[in-house]
Amino acid sequence: EDQVTQSPEALRLQEGESSSLNCSYTVSGLRGLFWYRQDPGKGPEFLFTLYSAGEEKEKERLKATLTKKESFLHITAPKPEDSATYLCAVQAGDDKIIFGKGTRLHILP
Amino acid sequence: GAGVSQSPSNKVTEKGKDVELRCDPISGHTALYWYRQSLGQGLEFLIYFQGNSAPDKSGLPSDRFSAERTGGSVSTLTIQRTQQEDSAVYLCASSLGYGLNTEAFFGQGTRLTVV
Repeated sequence: EDQVTQSPEALRLQEGESSSLNCSYTVSGLRGLFWYRQDPGKGPEFLFTLYSAGEEKEKERLKATLTKKESFLHITAPKPEDSATYLCAVQAGDDKIIFGKGTRLHILP
Repeated sequence: GAGVSQSPSNKVTEKGKDVELRCDPISGHTALYWYRQSLGQGLEFLIYFQGNSAPDKSGLPSDRFSAERTGGSVSTLTIQRTQQEDSAVYLCASSLGYGLNTEAFFGQGTRLTVV
């Protein structure tokens, strides 16, 4: 069965304190791995797609990386506005997109 | 349209009533997904439509839940005989659904409260 596990469940950082969020997955025939950001009361906002091991993508203070078993979302020198829930999802050969439970990130000023 | 549109944004219904939730995907997107998100939880897959293929209904929690997509565009999620445990945010997403363009874009959701 396809599974996505994210850790930690919650993370509190001081402004400027860099860290990484983990997404480990088990899927048959990975077509893509996605990262989303979700603010309270809103739908998830697309951030990145990664397709193959070794691929990296960056956007402002965020960088996503992919291996054959997991993905990391690195946050460099975060600001309070980076506070949100970050969701990881995988798309398998059957085209379904399965989500992890997310990491709630809180950046303290 | 500019983005995925869902209506209503909020719905309060009495236990036992039927409800219909609507999703207008991004124009030209062939793939459409429905998810359910309970308070503080992740996204639970419900159903997936791709073009004219038979939908993947493997995530529907019971036979009270059904969805259809008319003309390959607008989709309606119907919940019959609603129960309190159906209270959640129902999210719809669409994607181009082919090649390397498979990322899904979400609407703002419908918050359903069953009283």
